[in-house]
Amino acid sequence: GNSVTQMEGPVTLSEEAFLTINCTYTATGYPSLFWYVQYPGEGLQLLLKATKADDKGSNKGFEATYRKETTSFHLEKGSVQVSDSAVYFCALWDAGGTSYGKLTFGQGTILTVHP
Amino acid sequence: NAGVTQTPKFQVLKTGQSMTLQCAQDMNHEYMSWYRQDPGMGLRLIHYSVGAGITDQGEVPNGYNVSRSTTEDFPLRLLSAAPSQTSVYFCASKRGGTDTQYFGPGTRLTVL
Repeated sequence: GNSVTQMEGPVTLSEEAFLTINCTYTATGYPSLFWYVQYPGEGLQLLLKATKADDKGSNKGFEATYRKETTSFHLEKGSVQVSDSAVYFCALWDAGGTSYGKLTFGQGTILTVHP
Repeated sequence: NAGVTQTPKFQVLKTGQSMTLQCAQDMNHEYMSWYRQDPGMGLRLIHYSVGAGITDQGEVPNGYNVSRSTTEDFPLRLLSAAPSQTSVYFCASKRGGTDTQYFGPGTRLTVL
């Protein structure tokens, strides 16, 4: 079956530091890849997505590139802010021959940014 | 357009009690689902529905029931709560044929 593995957290950074959160996946088909973000006390919000190999998703200064050769979708940001403190989830959506498919999540990575 | 709404936001139950977590969406999405979020385990699918009158089990369905009488609503029922059901529950919806799900704000449930 499909699976998503994220780097262990928590990750603690100082403001303006560079961020990388690693994500690798296992899938039998041609999945879409997502990063969701969960701010404290809130639900999940879609941060960015990529639907095919070599696509780059980007939003709010974050970006991630769909790498089929390494089965990876690492999240990066050049300069983090305190407001980026949240839990980040990598996820994979596989249609599986249906119109609704299945969304598989990684375990989540807690990011804390200090001033 | 309120998106996906969930009630209540917080709930404390005693072991053996029953309750219903409410979920509604106003986007006319065919697909709705329930997840539970536990530390270090990401989100796991409990039940899902591809349309009114159609439901199916996800990865962790035991102890939960669902029904889908309308397109808008997808309640999750705990018949006899257990401490192992202490978790944060998220409802989500999406349009058929698309890949992006929209999540509600979550319900934090504690079972004593």
